[in-house]
Amino acid sequence: DAKTTQPPSMDCAEGRAANLPCNHSTISGNEYVYWYRQIHSQGPQYIIHGLKNNETNEMASLIITEDRKSSTLILPHATLRDTAVYYCIVRERSNDYKLSFGAGTTVTVRA
Amino acid sequence: EAGVAQSPRYKIIEKRQSVAFWCNPISGHATLYWYQQILGQGPKLLIQFQNNGVVDDSQLPKDRFSAERLKGVDSTLKIQPAKLEDSAVYLCASSAGLNQPQHFGDGTRLSIL
Repeated sequence: DAKTTQPPSMDCAEGRAANLPCNHSTISGNEYVYWYRQIHSQGPQYIIHGLKNNETNEMASLIITEDRKSSTLILPHATLRDTAVYYCIVRERSNDYKLSFGAGTTVTVRA
Repeated sequence: EAGVAQSPRYKIIEKRQSVAFWCNPISGHATLYWYQQILGQGPKLLIQFQNNGVVDDSQLPKDRFSAERLKGVDSTLKIQPAKLEDSAVYLCASSAGLNQPQHFGDGTRLSIL
């Protein structure tokens, strides 16, 4: 049972930043927010994760609100190859840190 | 580092036949997972191994599905007999530990005729 809410779809322009929202209002203090994406015909790809602080890696940035009830994944310069389904997942310690995938957000990057 | 390897990439069988999928995780990863992904849905966990022991198989339909991870490295998932509803992509993932990122293979797409 997913603990997150994401919009079903969104478009963004190539070269622009893509901001993907996720609500997780029931998150507990020791639960991490993970982001994965799945490009067509491929397995899910790990992007980034965080607990409280904002995180950045070579793929994306993760901004978590101070109350931890929501987060935003930022793709700084979207390319056509970023078109994918993006999953926001709360890994629950009580559930042995399992990944429970919801429907995700289908992101389409347009030229 | 080499990623998670899965084979075959595609498989077509008739209902009531048997089929097996193979997974080679990332070297050194103790935790291995099998997921089922039905078209249009997110992946659903079937079974989780820690080394060669089963941690969770609560979502595995044990009347027809079985999985093993002998020697704590490679793993196989078997379906016998297959039903039409088993048509899906079967994904394998591995991680260095329970609360570490999982890394996925590209899956086996199974079609049941």
